[in-house]
Amino acid sequence: GAVVSQHPSRVICKSGTSVKIECRSLDFQATTMFWYRQFPKQSLMLMATSNEGSKATYEQGVEKDKFLINHASLTLSTLTVTSAHPEDSSFYICSAVTGGESTEAFFGQGTRLTVV
Amino acid sequence: AQTVTQSQPEMSVQEAETVTLSCTYDTSESDYYLFWYKQPPSRQMILVIRQEAYKQQNATENRFSVNFQKAAKSFSLKISDSQLGDAAMYFCAYRPAGTASKLTFGTGTRLQVTL
Repeated sequence: GAVVSQHPSRVICKSGTSVKIECRSLDFQATTMFWYRQFPKQSLMLMATSNEGSKATYEQGVEKDKFLINHASLTLSTLTVTSAHPEDSSFYICSAVTGGESTEAFFGQGTRLTVV
Repeated sequence: AQTVTQSQPEMSVQEAETVTLSCTYDTSESDYYLFWYKQPPSRQMILVIRQEAYKQQNATENRFSVNFQKAAKSFSLKISDSQLGDAAMYFCAYRPAGTASKLTFGTGTRLQVTL
């Protein structure tokens, strides 16, 4: 199946700093990517939908100025957590879909963010 | 809005036995897709099985099969001949038809497999 690579897998940053997470589709072009957040022992919560070349669509309650999403190419989307706080510590997962009739979303391996 | 409900936070099954995980959903759409994802301790989401709503036949993938009841909006997952490697979180998910539609996940069921 298609491969989605997410980097880094783990990151620790200090409060007030920004951290960037990358999501790459390695062997297909992803017109749409999704960013999820997962709290311990909970489900995946969709944060935003990212389309190549356009602004991301954020879910209700997600601060777009805090979670900056850029989908600059058909193979790369980035999530930047700005001015991170300890409450932003979480597991972030991206997924990618092609633009065709494919019904399958391909997931990255996730990034564990710890803000200290 | 679509919702997905998994009423079993935890399930346990003995190795080689069969277990069924429940999932119900709510939607006003007539065309959609349903999925079961497995999330092992590595946290990597793995697609287990998918079902197109327009297909009456239940999907099967080796030891995994579903019981899709469209009228009842029910989509259960049956795991036969359970193996230790099946231990994981299992998420039921829904996606309306149409390209690049977003997935809605249930709250998950943690499956334990015992010897």
